[in-house]
Amino acid sequence: ETGVTQSPTHLIKTRGQQVTLRCSSQSGHNTVSWYQQALGQGPQFIFQYYREEENGRGNFPPRFSGLQFPNYSSELNVNALELDDSALYLCASSVGQGLAETQYFGPGTRLLVL
Amino acid sequence: KNEVEQSPQNLTAQEGEFITINCSYSVGISALHWLQQHPGGGIVSLFMLSSGKKKHGRLIATINIQEKHSSLHITASHPRDSAVYICAVRGRTGGGADGLTFGKGTHLIIQP
Repeated sequence: ETGVTQSPTHLIKTRGQQVTLRCSSQSGHNTVSWYQQALGQGPQFIFQYYREEENGRGNFPPRFSGLQFPNYSSELNVNALELDDSALYLCASSVGQGLAETQYFGPGTRLLVL
Repeated sequence: KNEVEQSPQNLTAQEGEFITINCSYSVGISALHWLQQHPGGGIVSLFMLSSGKKKHGRLIATINIQEKHSSLHITASHPRDSAVYICAVRGRTGGGADGLTFGKGTHLIIQP
């Protein structure tokens, strides 16, 4: 039990739609990272938020955006969904903005785009 | 950009065997993580290393910074150890700029 929850657990959308995925972190965990994991692959870094500001981004287009709230919850928004966006989306929270902090992963949201 | 390679990709062993999973990376890092992922997706952090060796129960993780290599060992393996084991590194620039770079994982099956 990592103390990180994600909702929904599963989601089916059609191409072109928009989706919002949610993550709730442990109290005091002011850093949250989002990852995309395609089937059979390792997770890929989407972006990270620290104290409600984006402070790092992987190789994902602008239609992937996020928000972090003062209550340690966060959102990942994806616009204009494409078939290749079908994946497991993981959020991970940690304390601070350090070089080597332990990350606590949520169970993930499995998104299927038809 | 760091490249993370794991071997083997798949490993099937008998209960009780000693298991070794390897991870190599291409550029300097500030930390290396070993993670366990069960079917359904949940990821659990097993170890975070920046040097030397760590042990937790039947799990041992080592890292050689000069050789850019880490190993995860499981002693007296058990069927409940069956999972995907993932190596992930954070670049030396650290912080949020790069996030973690993950290997593709090693799919371990321990047969009774």
